[in-house]
Amino acid sequence: DQQVKQNSPSLSVQEGRISILNCDYTNSMFDYFLWYKKYPAEGPTFLISISSIKDKNEDGRFTVFLNKSAKHLSLHIVPSQPGDSAVYFCAAKVFRGANNLFFGTGTRLTVIP
Amino acid sequence: DAGVIQSPRHEVTEMGQEVTLRCKPISGHNSLFWYRQTMMRGLELLIYFNNNVPIDDSGMPEDRFSAKMPNASFSTLKIQPSEPRDSAVYFCASRPGLAGGPQADTQYFGPGTRLTVL
Repeated sequence: DQQVKQNSPSLSVQEGRISILNCDYTNSMFDYFLWYKKYPAEGPTFLISISSIKDKNEDGRFTVFLNKSAKHLSLHIVPSQPGDSAVYFCAAKVFRGANNLFFGTGTRLTVIP
Repeated sequence: DAGVIQSPRHEVTEMGQEVTLRCKPISGHNSLFWYRQTMMRGLELLIYFNNNVPIDDSGMPEDRFSAKMPNASFSTLKIQPSEPRDSAVYFCASRPGLAGGPQADTQYFGPGTRLTVL
């Protein structure tokens, strides 16, 4: 049973525009969420995270929004750059400090120059 | 820092053979994780260790899979006997824990081992 879902397997965006990647989860106990970026032939790298006590976290061009009532989070990249082309994984876990991360299946972002 | 190191990067073997994947976590990190990535199921957590002790192996698919962490700087994931459906990319990740400050919960991934079982 997939507790974290990324329903869009792929997304294409023009350079300079906004990229919005979506993630839904089913476990209402999740309270810490992370986004990872993965280039081909490399391991995933941590991008940004958010705790359930916040509804927004921003780091440079990357912003994560959390809507707890809808069990939905999104990653916004603005402006999008060709180097952002990668697979993005959403992950969630139950209470900060717990070890078990649940991952979505990923969304492949392609930023078109 | 060299990051999480995994070996081999690629492994091709025949069904029935034993496969051993290796991982060296980032020095000072106290948690280590083994994941498997497939197209159908994405990233799945197989097992994780805290301070070299296995905490949760509920993600290990079958008894053919086993993992060990004999010390803080080394872990292995073994598949015996291997089957074609084990073909996937296997990732190891480590986490600093409380000593990592704001990044205490962040997992740092290795480059992965691509396993192909013929």
